[in-house]
Amino acid sequence: AQTVTQSQPEMSVQEAETVTLSCTYDTSENNYYLFWYKQPPSRQMILVIRQEAYKQQNATENRFSVNFQKAAKSFSLKISDSQLGDTAMYFCAFMKHGGNQFYFGTGTSLTVIP
Amino acid sequence: DTGVSQNPRHKITKRGQNVTFRCDPISEHNRLYWYRQTLGQGPEFLTYFQNEAQLEKSRLLSDRFSAERPKGSFSTLEIQRTEQGDSAMYLCASSLIQGNSPLHFGNGTRLTVT
Repeated sequence: AQTVTQSQPEMSVQEAETVTLSCTYDTSENNYYLFWYKQPPSRQMILVIRQEAYKQQNATENRFSVNFQKAAKSFSLKISDSQLGDTAMYFCAFMKHGGNQFYFGTGTSLTVIP
Repeated sequence: DTGVSQNPRHKITKRGQNVTFRCDPISEHNRLYWYRQTLGQGPEFLTYFQNEAQLEKSRLLSDRFSAERPKGSFSTLEIQRTEQGDSAMYLCASSLIQGNSPLHFGNGTRLTVT
């Protein structure tokens, strides 16, 4: 079974600053997909960014980017120019290629401080 | 809005009662998932449908839990003889079959068993 570990239960960042959330995973698969999801308080979970393992280039979506280190099995999320609306739980998720099950980490609660 | 819809949003029930939740996925999505999320944890996989076929069930899904997806459209999750440990947020998500297709989540149904 795949496991996803998020070692930072809580983090905070000043508005407009940059923050990095860490995620590591354990798998014997070579082809897989990684995702970061955001869950604002009392709101639904939404996709932030995704990465295909076969792509060496790190994914970027506006202020959100990842640092994907395949050999280290690490998939961190960098949020630049943090905004108050970024306050949320962030979950890292893994799915193997050809699979159907998503494995989630325990989440990191991010608070953006004005 | 054609996102994933879940009903009810909240359900309070007494221990021993049966409850049923409904999920309407995004119409063109073949895959439908049920997850359970407790406070401070990431979503835990319960079960998964591809069209109308239930292809996988977690060991978390005891015989008190049953899920259906008649005609491959909406899905229901029923919990019989509820226990206090069933109190959680029940999330429904849907996706396309393509490998890197992300999950699209509903708002969830929060169950409280008293």
